[in-house]
Amino acid sequence: RKEVEQDPGPFNVPEGATVAFNCTYSNSASQSFFWYRQDCRKEPKLLMSVYSSGNEDGRFTAQLNRASQYISLLIRDSKLSDSATYLCVVNIGTGNQFYFGTGTSLTVIP
Amino acid sequence: DAGVTQSPTHLIKTRGQQVTLRCSPKSGHDTVSWYQQALGQGPQFIFQYYEEEERQRGNFPDRFSGHQYPNYSSELNVNALLLGDSALYLCASSFGSVYNEQFFGPGTRLTVL
Repeated sequence: RKEVEQDPGPFNVPEGATVAFNCTYSNSASQSFFWYRQDCRKEPKLLMSVYSSGNEDGRFTAQLNRASQYISLLIRDSKLSDSATYLCVVNIGTGNQFYFGTGTSLTVIP
Repeated sequence: DAGVTQSPTHLIKTRGQQVTLRCSPKSGHDTVSWYQQALGQGPQFIFQYYEEEERQRGNFPDRFSGHQYPNYSSELNVNALLLGDSALYLCASSFGSVYNEQFFGPGTRLTVL
């Protein structure tokens, strides 16, 4: 079983729509969680960290469910510029290794 | 404040050759991690360097080796290149706690013919 699993999509949504991505992780010892965004042929860029209490940054909301071992990312009022691949990242507490999901592709359509 | 830099941007090699990729971390960062990203996949962890030592290693063969210098810059070396080593190689830097977020460089795109 993979350490981190994401639905690869693609998700094609109209401008203004709300879209949600989920990511599951297998190791209950995982300590830190992030969402990264990656544009085509570019490096991943940190979108937001994910905290146990959940956190919000503008149109983006991230949540963590430790009991079910998943994290989520909600994007409200989608913009064309949100089109990218969204990567779920988990750090396993017993080591220094970051595990990436395969990414979820989002295309926002005019 | 310069971010993470990597060189070269692109590289073409043939099977059996050796390659060295370089990374300079973001100012103030002391930890460098290397990742391999194949097309359509998420980055795969190769190893991490801290205080000039390899602190953690992913599931990669010994053909992949690295080094960190006192100024925190790092190199990734790959020997006996295989066609399957063709990928985007990403360097990420961070500071302090292993739980802190990592910042990525633009990557080196390696093509093995």
